[in-house]
Amino acid sequence: DAGVIQSPRHEVTEMGQEVTLRCKPISGHNSLFWYRQTMMRGLELLIYFNNNVPIDDSGMPEDRFSAKMPNASFSTLKIQPSEPRDSAVYFCASRAWDGNQPQHFGDGTRLSIL
Amino acid sequence: GENVEQHPSTLSVQEGDSAVIKCTYSDSASNYFPWYKQELGKGPQLIIDIRSNVGEKKDQRIAVTLNKTAKHFSLHITETQPEDSAVYFCAASFNNNNDMRFGAGTRLTVKP
Repeated sequence: DAGVIQSPRHEVTEMGQEVTLRCKPISGHNSLFWYRQTMMRGLELLIYFNNNVPIDDSGMPEDRFSAKMPNASFSTLKIQPSEPRDSAVYFCASRAWDGNQPQHFGDGTRLSIL
Repeated sequence: GENVEQHPSTLSVQEGDSAVIKCTYSDSASNYFPWYKQELGKGPQLIIDIRSNVGEKKDQRIAVTLNKTAKHFSLHITETQPEDSAVYFCAASFNNNNDMRFGAGTRLTVKP
């Protein structure tokens, strides 16, 4: 089992640039989650998908953030335009859509906006 | 919605000692309580979980206890080792649904 795979692991870019984070969930998992982790706010759920369909995006901070899941094995989180306050570690997690299965996290993307 | 509080925020113990981390939750409907360990540069990894139909669960040196009446649950690590040093997160949800709330984390340091 390869686990949840995220890319890139690190991203440094200038304010105003578009940023795209990528996630490959565990094969067979049909729920996917995007989280943001900061010292001040801890782990925050941004959005989640069930069977590739966005269910709840109430955690997305602003319209500058968008997420897609075109198929069961790939999701993206995009920030356009990026701002310094978007700097954080972004995690993707997946789980089987069963009420008793845990979420499995990737190793995250550390994003720095200069 | 659910609110999870976790204490302490930092914990330092000597190798071989026990460590206890405590969490409280607000929603009495919550029935699934996982614990995650996060090492530097890594994502949170599930180490143990407990459901509300049991009061205690043990896996080698780690155990979790749940008090539904008081709405709190705790992580116990015995015979701590330096490799136990990490940040630990508790979480709570109903039927492990998608609205899982995490505690703020506890940074555990085990001194050799």
